[in-house]
Amino acid sequence: GAVVSQHPSWVICKSGTSVKIECRSLDFQATTMFWYRQFPKQSLMLMATSNEGSKATYEQGVEKDKFLINHASLTLSTLTVTSAHPEDSSFYICSAIQGVGGMGYTFGSGTRLTVV
Amino acid sequence: KNEVEQSPQNLTAQEGEFITINCSYSVGISALHWLQQHPGGGIVSLFMLSSGKKKHGRLIATINIQEKHSSLHITASHPRDSAVYICAVENNDMRFGAGTRLTVKP
Repeated sequence: GAVVSQHPSWVICKSGTSVKIECRSLDFQATTMFWYRQFPKQSLMLMATSNEGSKATYEQGVEKDKFLINHASLTLSTLTVTSAHPEDSSFYICSAIQGVGGMGYTFGSGTRLTVV
Repeated sequence: KNEVEQSPQNLTAQEGEFITINCSYSVGISALHWLQQHPGGGIVSLFMLSSGKKKHGRLIATINIQEKHSSLHITASHPRDSAVYICAVENNDMRFGAGTRLTVKP
């Protein structure tokens, strides 16, 4: 079955630094990838939708300059949290859809970011 | 009202008990997912289904499209099943339930 690999699974960084999270589709081409964020004891919330080769579409309230998304290939999307602050500490997860107009989301295992 | 409602929010069971978690949704969907989130946060996809029933080990997921309802069952529950179980539906995008926190006591 389709597999999405997300790395790292956890990361601790200092305030002011940037952190990159990778999301790879291992055995399929993912035209569209999604990034979600989860605050403690809350549901997953969509941050942005990225389509290969084009700019990501951000949900309302998500700062695009802070959360940089790159989807340069059909198998890799990255989320970079720039100038991280403690309030950015959260759980980030990606998902991907196979092919153009594909159905069926496959989820990465998530990344827990702690900013100290 | 959320488009995806899960019940119960919290569930405590004794080891060996049969567990049911319910998910109701109000939108048309193409598929429904059950996800398991461990205490560390890691997500595991348990099932994706669009009709009928699927079984994997001690886990069973059912969906009734007409009633817009799905259930996740765990037979012979074990403490290692303790996690948050999330129902998510595919429409044009993904909508997530708030999750059910399951604690299985030995």
